[in-house]
Amino acid sequence: GAVVSQHPSRVICKSGTSVKIECRSLDFQATTMFWYRQFPKQSLMLMATSNEGSKATYEQGVEKDKFLINHASLTLSTLTVTSAHPEDSSFYICSAEDLDSYNSPLHFGNGTRLTVT
Amino acid sequence: AQTVTQSQPEMSVQEAETVTLSCTYDTSESDYYLFWYKQPPSRQMILVIRQEAYKQQNATENRFSVNFQKAAKSFSLKISDSQLGDAAMYFCAYRRGGANSKLTFGKGITLSVRP
Repeated sequence: GAVVSQHPSRVICKSGTSVKIECRSLDFQATTMFWYRQFPKQSLMLMATSNEGSKATYEQGVEKDKFLINHASLTLSTLTVTSAHPEDSSFYICSAEDLDSYNSPLHFGNGTRLTVT
Repeated sequence: AQTVTQSQPEMSVQEAETVTLSCTYDTSESDYYLFWYKQPPSRQMILVIRQEAYKQQNATENRFSVNFQKAAKSFSLKISDSQLGDAAMYFCAYRRGGANSKLTFGKGITLSVRP
């Protein structure tokens, strides 16, 4: 089956630093990837839609300058949390749409737990 | 805008019994898909079952089945013969048909299974 690899699985960083999270589709091409954020015991909230070769589309209320998304190839999207603060501590999860079967269910990465100290 | 509503935050079921998780949604689209995802403590998102809106027949996957009421915009999940491993958070989700379409999730429900 289709696999999405997300790294790192856990990261701890100091306040004010930047952190990059990678989302890779291993055996399929993904023109579209989605980035979600999840607080404990809450639902997944869409942050942005990432399209290969173009600018990401951010949901209302998400700071695009703080959460930089790059989708430079058909298999890789990255989310960079810039100047991280403790309130950015959360679980971030990506999902990818298969270029060849876009009506198939999205494929999810295993998520990244970010802790900002 | 599409919305997905899960009004029950928590449910509990006795092992081997049956439980039904409720979900309603709102959309003006005719081409869409509905999903139930399971999220165990590992936080991995596991697809449980999927329903295409154009199909009248309710989807089933082993012990999991749905009751899809299109006119009422209701999509409930029935878990039969509940097992301890079914304990998790369950999310109902909606996705419009076509490319570049996002998943919209409900708030989720925490299911516990009593031995």
